[in-house]
Amino acid sequence: AAGVIQSPRHLIKEKRETATLKCYPIPRHDTVYWYQQGPGQDPQFLISFYEKMQSDKGSIPDRFSAQQFSDYHSELNMSSLELGDSALYFCASTFLGAGNTIYFGEGSWLTVV
Amino acid sequence: AQSVAQPEDQVNVAEGNPLTVKCTYSVSGNPYLFWYVQYPNRGLQFLLKYITGDNLVKGSYGFEAEFNKSQTSFHLKKPSALVSDSALYFCAVRDKQDNQGGKLIFGQGTELSVKP
Repeated sequence: AAGVIQSPRHLIKEKRETATLKCYPIPRHDTVYWYQQGPGQDPQFLISFYEKMQSDKGSIPDRFSAQQFSDYHSELNMSSLELGDSALYFCASTFLGAGNTIYFGEGSWLTVV
Repeated sequence: AQSVAQPEDQVNVAEGNPLTVKCTYSVSGNPYLFWYVQYPNRGLQFLLKYITGDNLVKGSYGFEAEFNKSQTSFHLKKPSALVSDSALYFCAVRDKQDNQGGKLIFGQGTELSVKP
């Protein structure tokens, strides 16, 4: 079965640079979530989209932005990168509905040096 | 606000013994509860969920969880642990928005170590 696809899997950026992460949800899923997981931490919710509209916002820095496109893929744009942005970034997708399972991608490792 | 707590940072069990990873929740209304497992440098894999119905939920890889409303708990269990079960386990609650569903709110995670 198709899973959530994230790219790139690893990237290294310098401070103050910009990074873009891409997420391709499971086909026909209408909702996408982005999470950030620091070392030894639980995943922290950043932002979500339903049918290409932002549906919820969490602890996403103002330096970050995201959007969902017409083909339902999503991109997380991160600017003015800081050392503290080094983390594993997850994308997840589901059908709208509280009882539906949310499926996660393998994550994108961002290292800021 | 919805929240879950995992009181144990680490659980150690011997292979072949039963294992329990604890989770308690605090929600308004009926909870939608989930367990995920994370292997090193990997994504979160769904194990099982409780939405409604039978309090004992069976999931992947022989795991099960018992929903206990009076104790507000949703402990993950397995009758016989395998070394390959060693991983980080997260309990999560769905942040429902008008029953349309919302983000998952995670517990702190419990590191399970199964020794041969």
